[in-house]
Amino acid sequence: QPVLTQSSSASASLGSSVKLTCTLSSGYSSYIIAWHQQQPGKAPRYLMKLEGSGSNNKGSGVPDRFSGSSSGADRYLTISNLQSEDEADYYCETWDSNTRVFGGGTKLTVL
Amino acid sequence: EVQLVESGGGLVQPGGSLRLSCAASGFTFNNYWMSWVRQAPGKGLEWVANIKQDGSEKYYVDSVKGRFTISRDNAKSSLYLQMSSLRAEDTAVYYCAREATLVTTAGGYYFYYYYIDVWGKGTTVTVSS
Repeated sequence: QPVLTQSSSASASLGSSVKLTCTLSSGYSSYIIAWHQQQPGKAPRYLMKLEGSGSNNKGSGVPDRFSGSSSGADRYLTISNLQSEDEADYYCETWDSNTRVFGGGTKLTVL
Repeated sequence: EVQLVESGGGLVQPGGSLRLSCAASGFTFNNYWMSWVRQAPGKGLEWVANIKQDGSEKYYVDSVKGRFTISRDNAKSSLYLQMSSLRAEDTAVYYCAREATLVTTAGGYYFYYYYIDVWGKGTTVTVSS
C-alpha cells in the first residue's frame, strides 16, 4: 500500500504564498491523489484531485488561489494570496488495492 | 445541491453497538462508491470502509474487520455503518463521503482511481463507560 508523507506544519504570512507537499512512497509515484482542507471545528472539504502529469480538477467553489502541481512522486498544493480563512489542516489522500490512505496532514498557520 | 447528512452518533458503552446513517441528496446515489472515514479527537483522518455502487463489494480497514458492517439502500439514497463490539479507540467523528472515479489508459490497459470528492458534516461517536 502507498504511504503519503506530509510535513506536520507550515506557516506563511497573510497575502503571501505557500506550497504544501505530499510525497508518495516508492513504487507509487504515478498515483493520483486528492487534496482536502479541514478548517478548525469543521468537516473536511474536497479541494482537488491531482494527477502525476499535474492535471487537476478542483471542487465546486474552490478559489482560484488554490492550485496543484506534480513532480515525480511529489504532489503540491499552492495557496496564493493567503487569507486568514486558509488557516487549516490539509490532507492528501490516495487509493490502492481496495484501501484508502490519508497523509498525516499539514497544519497551516497564517501569520 | 450535493449533500450528505450523517446521523446516529452518540454515547455508547464499551462492547455496545450503534448504527450510523447517511442520507444523500443532489446526485444519483447508485452511481457512486461510498465511504466512511473517521477522525479521533485531535488526530488525522482514517478511512474505515467503503462499498460499491450495487453493494457487491465492501472493504474495511483491518482494525474494524469483523466488528463493523457497511451497507447501502439505493432506493433510499442512504448509506449505513453498523458498529458492534465497540472499543474506546473507536471514539471519533464519523464522516460519510462520496467517491469519484477516474479512469485512465496506458499501454492498452485501463486503470481505475477513486478519490473522495464530497464530505458530510459528520456524527460523533463516543465509546465510554
